[in-house]
Order: sequence, then C-alpha cells, then structure tokens
Amino acid sequence: AQSVTQLDSQVPVFEEAPVELRCNYSSSVSVYLFWYVQYPNQGLQLLLKYLSGSTLVKGINGFEAEFNKSQTSFHLRKPSVHISDTAEYFCAVSPTPLGGGADGLTFGKGTHLIIQP
Amino acid sequence: DGGITQSPKYLFRKEGQNVTLSCEQNLNHDAMYWYRQDPGQGLRLIYYSQIVNDFQKGDIAEGYSVSREKKESFPLTVTSAQKNPTAFYLCASSMYEGGPFNEQFFGPGTRLTVL
Repeated sequence: AQSVTQLDSQVPVFEEAPVELRCNYSSSVSVYLFWYVQYPNQGLQLLLKYLSGSTLVKGINGFEAEFNKSQTSFHLRKPSVHISDTAEYFCAVSPTPLGGGADGLTFGKGTHLIIQP
Repeated sequence: DGGITQSPKYLFRKEGQNVTLSCEQNLNHDAMYWYRQDPGQGLRLIYYSQIVNDFQKGDIAEGYSVSREKKESFPLTVTSAQKNPTAFYLCASSMYEGGPFNEQFFGPGTRLTVL
C-alpha cells in the first residue's frame, strides 16, 4: 500500500514570490508521482507527472517538481506565483504497474495555495 | 470536444433514498474511476473499472455500487447504506494499454447533499 503526506494544509504567499509545496510518500514498491490542481468546485487538472528518467519534471503554468528517491519526496515549485494560481494542489502516487495496470491513485489531503496581492 | 461529463452538478437527496450519479466519457479510455472528496481529506477511491463488465472495490466501497455495461459509461449509485454520503464526487478515466501508466482525466464533479 502507498500513502502520501502533504506537509502543509495551507500556504500563503505574496504575488510574484516563489513557492514550494511539499509532498512525501511511502511505498514498498516503485511508484509514479503526480501533482494535480483543483480550482473551486471543479475537477482536477494534471500539472505534471514523474514516471521515469530525469528527476526534474516540468509541467504546465510554470510549475516544476523534483523527485528525490532517497528522501521519498516530490516537492512542487514555482519561481513566481500569480493570483490565478490560487487553488488546491494535490500530490498523488500510483504503484508502477507490472504488465500494465489501471489501479486508482492514492492522494494526499491537499495544500491550499493562497496568493496575496 | 473530448472529455468527461458528470451529471447533475448538484444533487439533493433525502435520507434513506438511493441516488445514481452519471459519468460519461468520449475519450475512448478503457479505465474509469470514482473518487469521493471531503474537505481536508483529499480524494479517496470508491470503485474502479479497467474494462467493460468488470470493476473492483477501492478503499471506501461500502454503501456504493457501480456498473460498467458500456465503455463510455460508469454510473455510481449511492445507497441508503452509505452512512455519510454528503460529499463531492469525482469521476475519472485513463488509458489502459498494458504498458506505462497514463494520467487520469477528471470530470467536473457532482456535489451530493443529503437532507
């Protein structure tokens, strides 16, 4: 089984400042890692994903994340935030499938990013 | 436009009633999922289906039922046995090609309130 811990439930940041949203996971097998964003009363949209290869992953809207296997972390960063980045952000994991797989994702509890003008 | 539709957006139900939430996708995805979202709890997996006429329980399946008679449809029934059904329900789908995992695409959600 896998678990995901998002260390901050809320992160307030001033506009144009950098931000880091932290995510740690626990798993006995190799995992795929994801960050999703959710705007109020909407579904989730994929920001970025790590499947294999380079540990620095770039996503949409200027976000990036770095996979650190030794620290079992996948922190999300953006160098300069905008008011429109105000949303809920979810980190999620899935076990790497053996011969394919479509099991559900395990999500963290989310981090509410609040951008202050 | 390809995507996932969920209906209705808002749903009200009296205690003791069953209710069915609709989820349709035209992405030609094989796998479909239902998640429940509660404030401060993240998303929790209710049921998922990898192919037509087959589905598996997720982490919180008690009080819910599903069917998968068509590839594009995966309705969720919230039964009267579900003790606390008020929540935001999200449907998702993904490709399932027997290879690397692909991202899940989410619908806009249905907010269910039990009165």
